[in-house]
Amino acid sequence: GAVVSQHPSWVICKSGTSVKIECRSLDFQATTMFWYRQFPKQSLMLMATSNEGSKATYEQGVEKDKFLINHASLTLSTLTVTSAHPEDSSFYICSARDQRGNTEAFFGQGTRLTVV
Amino acid sequence: GDSVTQMEGPVTLSEEAFLTINCTYTATGYPSLFWYVQYPGEGLQLLLKATKADDKGSNKGFEATYRKETTSFHLEKGSVQVSDSAVYFCALHPNYGQNFVFGPGTRLSVLP
Repeated sequence: GAVVSQHPSWVICKSGTSVKIECRSLDFQATTMFWYRQFPKQSLMLMATSNEGSKATYEQGVEKDKFLINHASLTLSTLTVTSAHPEDSSFYICSARDQRGNTEAFFGQGTRLTVV
Repeated sequence: GDSVTQMEGPVTLSEEAFLTINCTYTATGYPSLFWYVQYPGEGLQLLLKATKADDKGSNKGFEATYRKETTSFHLEKGSVQVSDSAVYFCALHPNYGQNFVFGPGTRLSVLP
């Protein structure tokens, strides 16, 4: 199946710094990518939908100035957690759908962010 | 709005036991239905899917049938292995829009 690569797989950063997470579709083009956050032992919470060449669509309650999303090409979307705080520590997962309309979503391996 | 409900876990079974994880959904129209599996520290992997009523998805011994009359998509496996220990998410993709809707996940632990 198609591959979505997410990098880094884990990161530790200090409070107040920013962290960038990359999501790449390796063998297909994705006009839309999704960013999820997963708290321990809980389900995935959709944070935002990333659209290539346009602004991301954020879910209610998600701070767009804190979680900056850029979808500069058909194969790359980035999530930047700005001025990170310990409460931002979480597991972040991206997913992408093939622009040809396949209903299946392909997920990255996730990024575990720890803010100290 | 659309939603997915799963049986609460954790589910603990002995190796070779029969597994059922219940999943029901609420949606407008005819969504596609999925089961995803998440192993510890990893992202989600598609386990199986069904795109229309009465379809049966199957993979690695797991199977689920799309039941529109009961709005269900229960996951079953006849004989679980220790390596099946993971969190299982039921999900739907509506026939409009782009977002997936996930259930809360069910943690399965299989003991040797």
